Amino acid sequence: GAVVSQHPSWVICKSGTSVKIECRSLDFQATTMFWYRQFPKQSLMLMATSNEGSKATYEQGVEKDKFLINHASLTLSTLTVTSAHPEDSSFYICSARGAVDNSPLHFGNGTRLTVT
Amino acid sequence: QKEVEQNSGPLSVPEGAIASLNCTYSDRGSQSFFWYRQYSGKSPELIMFIYSNGDKEDGRFTAQLNKASQYVSLLIRDSQPSDSATYLCAMSEHSGNTPLVFGKGTRLSVIA
Repeated sequence: GAVVSQHPSWVICKSGTSVKIECRSLDFQATTMFWYRQFPKQSLMLMATSNEGSKATYEQGVEKDKFLINHASLTLSTLTVTSAHPEDSSFYICSARGAVDNSPLHFGNGTRLTVT
Repeated sequence: QKEVEQNSGPLSVPEGAIASLNCTYSDRGSQSFFWYRQYSGKSPELIMFIYSNGDKEDGRFTAQLNKASQYVSLLIRDSQPSDSATYLCAMSEHSGNTPLVFGKGTRLSVIA
């Protein structure tokens, strides 16, 4: 089945630094990838929709200057958390759907970010 | 506003029993329906998808869809302790460019 690879699986960084998370679709082309965030014991929250070759679409309340998304190819999207703060500590999960209608959403394994 | 409603649970069932998870949705334009399982601290994994009214079976899992009632369910037969997880219902329109709308999930606990 379709596989989405996400890296790193966990990262600890100091407040004020930036962290880049990579998301790759390994066996299908994903013109669109989706980035989610999940705080402990809470539901998934869609942050943004990443479109290959164009600007990402951010959900209401998500700062586009803080969460930089780049989707430079059909198989790679990156999320950079800039000037991270402790409140950004969360579980970040990327996902992708194939271009075929009705295709399911496949998730990466997630990145647990801890900002100290 | 597209909404997906799930009972948050926890739903507790004894080992070997049938677990029934339910989901209702507001958008009649939804065409694709998905069930995901999420273990604590892990990302969601796809269990089943269903597009047509009726039942779809895969091993111990059966998804049921009733578009007229805007209702989708997941049955887990012969429940095992390893089935204990949060189950997320999701749906979308046809296009792969649109995000899925997720419910908040139902926590299932299978008691040995």
